[in-house]
Amino acid sequence: TQLLEQSPQFLSIQEGENLTVYCNSSSVFSSLQWYRQEPGEGPVLLVTVVTGGEVKKLKRLTFQFGDARKDSSLHITAAQPGDTGLYLCAGAPLSAGGTSYGKLTFGQGTILTVHP
Amino acid sequence: DVKVTQSSRYLVKRTGEKVFLECVQDMDHENMFWYRQDPGLGLRLIYFSYDVKMKEKGDIPEGYSVSREKKERFSLILESASTNQTSMYLCASSSVFGTIANYGYTFGSGTRLTVV
Repeated sequence: TQLLEQSPQFLSIQEGENLTVYCNSSSVFSSLQWYRQEPGEGPVLLVTVVTGGEVKKLKRLTFQFGDARKDSSLHITAAQPGDTGLYLCAGAPLSAGGTSYGKLTFGQGTILTVHP
Repeated sequence: DVKVTQSSRYLVKRTGEKVFLECVQDMDHENMFWYRQDPGLGLRLIYFSYDVKMKEKGDIPEGYSVSREKKERFSLILESASTNQTSMYLCASSSVFGTIANYGYTFGSGTRLTVV
């Protein structure tokens, strides 16, 4: 069974601060995704990283996939109250004869609160 | 705008009732999933379907069943609702074709079910 450990579980910071969320596993994933979920809504896909060592930027958000494709991080620069939400990482399995059906393994999530 | 639509945002049912949660996607996706989300437990997979009339149990299928008679519609059925099934239920869909970057899920807005 593949597991993804996310840390920290909770993060409460002031507007303008920087933060990093980590997603770690002992398993190798073919790709890793980050989602953001606002209260009362479903998660929304932010980014997919595919290549080991890959770095993607989305405005103030920087996503990195570990060289060994076992871990990832999300860094937010100068956080704003609009960044508040639940951040989820999810790993896609290595193909197992093409029958993996695209089932993702989700981390437990990080609840981020950015205070004005 | 592509989307996954869940029929109800909020639902209150009585213990012992049979409950139907409906999910429709307009993206011609092959895969559809039902998750429940509870504080501290993350997203837990109940059932998924990779084709019409095909279904596979997820991690917590007990007390639930599913139906997929048409490609765009995936229904979750609580055979006899119990209070421990009070939760947020999320439907998602994904495609199996193209690159692994396509493994991203599109989620519905969720159904908050309360069983009293």
